[in-house]
Amino acid sequence: SQKIEQNSEALNIQEGKTATLTCNYTNYSPAYLQWYRQDPGRGPVFLLLIRENEKEKRKERLKVTFDTTLKQSLFHITASQPADSATYLCALDNFNKFYFGSGTKLNVKP
Amino acid sequence: SAVISQKPSRDICQRGTSLTIQCQVDSQVTMMFWYRQQPGQSLTLIATANQGSEATYESGFVIDKFPISRPNLTFSTLTVSNMSPEDSSIYLCSVTPWGAQYGYTFGSGTRLTVV
Repeated sequence: SQKIEQNSEALNIQEGKTATLTCNYTNYSPAYLQWYRQDPGRGPVFLLLIRENEKEKRKERLKVTFDTTLKQSLFHITASQPADSATYLCALDNFNKFYFGSGTKLNVKP
Repeated sequence: SAVISQKPSRDICQRGTSLTIQCQVDSQVTMMFWYRQQPGQSLTLIATANQGSEATYESGFVIDKFPISRPNLTFSTLTVSNMSPEDSSIYLCSVTPWGAQYGYTFGSGTRLTVV
């Protein structure tokens, strides 16, 4: 069956450190992978997209990698800040629809 | 990016009743998507709504339970019918103004509690 797996345990890190979140998938062959941020009581907000032929994508303090052999994407936030605390979701495309992982909650402590 | 107005933002409903959720977009879009997010869970795609045609439902979701209207390119409704406590969830609409590969824009969601 198709699965998108993100670590269900919260990630707690100290301000200034790099946060690394993982998204693994099985039985998908996505052309695109996206990362979203979701704050409590709000809808997800799009952050980054990476294509299957791209190994890495950067946007300000964010970096995403995409390894189609390992079927894995890593999402990095460098120089993390308490304002980065939120749940981060990955999403894969399948025939032009996107399917989401359950998200990982990030807590950045001052 | 597109701006989505979704309402109601929350509601508490009696079992056996129905609730209609509205989603208004500030620009014309071809497809609108309806998702459900149960507490602590991922977003699950319910259906895709195209203007001028029947909605396309994902496995496990049926039109009788979740009828969808799409009267024009900026508006859609999702009705949750004959509700039970298992329908308690957050319901979100979303659009992709420039295509799915450029990211989805989501409404702020409707938090539904069925008692």
